Amino acid sequence: GAVVSQHPSRVICKSGTSVKIECRSLDFQATTMFWYRQFPKQSLMLMATSNEGSKATYEQGVEKDKFLINHASLTLSTLTVTSAHPEDSSFYICSAPMTAAEAFFGQGTRLTVV
Amino acid sequence: QKEVEQDPGPLSVPEGAIVSLNCTYSNSAFQYFMWYRQYSRKGPELLMYTYSSGNKEDGRFTAQVDKSSKYISLFIRDSQPSDSATYLCAMSSGGSYIPTFGRGTSLIVHP
Repeated sequence: GAVVSQHPSRVICKSGTSVKIECRSLDFQATTMFWYRQFPKQSLMLMATSNEGSKATYEQGVEKDKFLINHASLTLSTLTVTSAHPEDSSFYICSAPMTAAEAFFGQGTRLTVV
Repeated sequence: QKEVEQDPGPLSVPEGAIVSLNCTYSNSAFQYFMWYRQYSRKGPELLMYTYSSGNKEDGRFTAQVDKSSKYISLFIRDSQPSDSATYLCAMSSGGSYIPTFGRGTSLIVHP
């Protein structure tokens, strides 16, 4: 199947700093990338949809200025958590949809803000 | 009521057992029904999907969809310890590529 490479897998940062998470589609062009957040024992919560060459669409309640999404090319989408705080600690996952039924996920990034 | 309901478990079974995982949903517009497996601290992996009603089999896994009851199932035969993971059901209407996920069921297969 298609491969989405997400980096880093784990990151610990100090409160107030920014963290960038990258997702690359390795063997296909991803015009769309979904960004999710997942809390322990909870489902995936869609944060935003990024589209190559245009502004991301954010879900209700997600702060655009805090979670900056860039999709500058067909193979790279990034999520930057700005001015991170402990409550931003979570598991962040990207996903590239291929069809209405098939989506390929990155490996996830566990962010810990201390 | 959530659009997709899924019992979080955990479900603990002995090796070799038949496992039944289920989801119910409320949106009759859903046409695609997916099952993902997620190991701890990893991204979900698509196991299989079904379009509309019916059954689909892939090795030890069988997916069933009953649209009249708004109920979907995933059966795992001859379960193995390596099947221990969280299983997420997901659904989409087809008009949108954005799936709606259940919260996942944690499965533990013990030797």
